[in-house]
Amino acid sequence: GAGVSQTPSNKVTEKGKYVELRCDPISGHTALYWYRQSLGQGPEFLIYFQGTGAADDSGLPNDRFFAVRPEGSVSTLKIQRTERGDSAVYLCASSLSISGANVLTFGAGSRLTVL
Amino acid sequence: EDKVVQSPLSLVVHEGDTVTLNCSYEVTNFRSLLWYKQEKKAPTFLFMLTSSGIEKKSGRLSSILDKKELFSILNITATQTGDSAVYLCAGNLSGTYKYIFGTGTRLKVLA
Repeated sequence: GAGVSQTPSNKVTEKGKYVELRCDPISGHTALYWYRQSLGQGPEFLIYFQGTGAADDSGLPNDRFFAVRPEGSVSTLKIQRTERGDSAVYLCASSLSISGANVLTFGAGSRLTVL
Repeated sequence: EDKVVQSPLSLVVHEGDTVTLNCSYEVTNFRSLLWYKQEKKAPTFLFMLTSSGIEKKSGRLSSILDKKELFSILNITATQTGDSAVYLCAGNLSGTYKYIFGTGTRLKVLA
């Protein structure tokens, strides 16, 4: 697509529920990132994929968080047993996989509210 | 631990003023630094800096990197109300595609 698409744009759920957030990157971009942004903070790195594999998942806060990218394009961030502290905007970004420095193109984000 | 620190945290100016936003970094094996503007939702790309002392310029915005002192600045001249936003900088680790973001500087330009 022309840009990075994220769905849903807003998600309200209850504590303890399971949620999935979807990211559709720019066509041809092999690198895909998930960040989490809390109010008044900068984006916090969660995970990035190079193709289908998670190249670095060091930012996932705990084992309730999991992300997949089975065909090297669309990615899903999965959060189990949601907690109120998970409330944030989840940003997805993609970039061309090049040998030099790379520019991230962000989607509009999915705002998650856990009641 | 890798970190990026931005200052000031917030800034209020009047239209026509010039502002300088600061970004200092401690990033292992630093490779590049990115500046973004964030209004309502998605951060939008402004500049990528990889080499010291080379100014990048786009209209009223410019940025420069100092790899010896580990900082970058973003200048905005003749500010307009449309410049009101959060400005983010991010440092990239060499050998990876992982970017570490600062907290951002919230700029408000008054008419």
